[in-house]
Amino acid sequence: AQKVTQAQTEISVVEKEDVTLDCVYETRDTTYFLFWYKQPPSGELVFLIRRNSFDEQNEISGRYSWNFQKSTSSFNFTITASQVVDSAVYFCALTGDYKLSFGAGTTVTVRA
Amino acid sequence: ETGVTQTPRHLVMGMTNKKSLKCEQHLGHNAMYWYKQSAKKPLELMFVYNFKEQTENNSVPSRFSPECPNSSHLFLHLHTLQPEDSALYLCASSQFQRKETQYFGPGTRLLVL
Repeated sequence: AQKVTQAQTEISVVEKEDVTLDCVYETRDTTYFLFWYKQPPSGELVFLIRRNSFDEQNEISGRYSWNFQKSTSSFNFTITASQVVDSAVYFCALTGDYKLSFGAGTTVTVRA
Repeated sequence: ETGVTQTPRHLVMGMTNKKSLKCEQHLGHNAMYWYKQSAKKPLELMFVYNFKEQTENNSVPSRFSPECPNSSHLFLHLHTLQPEDSALYLCASSQFQRKETQYFGPGTRLLVL
């Protein structure tokens, strides 16, 4: 069985603040992939990043950065210098053998 | 067209109507998925097709009937729906079914009256 937990339901920040979204997962698979998706109000789920369970190197892409720690089964996501356009629901997801399991999502609201 | 497209984007239907949702992927993928996203609920996987064959049906009521004529197209036929079926229906595709990144379409917002 696999499970993804996003404990934060909603986060509200003022523009230019940093935002960190927490994601904790459970899986019995030895090889798995972790994902972050963004869902703006339009509804489409936009793929942001995929991480292999063997690759714990953290990654930075523009204002986005990800911190993968296998020891604590966490895959956290940080938005630096947030902007209003970052307002969306962010989902963490995990796939083991084939099923993609999503967390409940964290709603991020960035106020101008 | 690029990525995954879905039509219609919005649909309002009565409980006695029959309608179909269409999904098309332009990514050369072999696996396609239907998800349901209701308000305040997690994403629910409904059906999975791999190389046109249905490989997963997550106990979805028979009033939802999927069809996958080829690896690029996926349909969801709807009939005699209930108001609780109102939701955002998302289609996704991936290269193969296992451990692959899924790419999503914009979804169809369905309202059942």
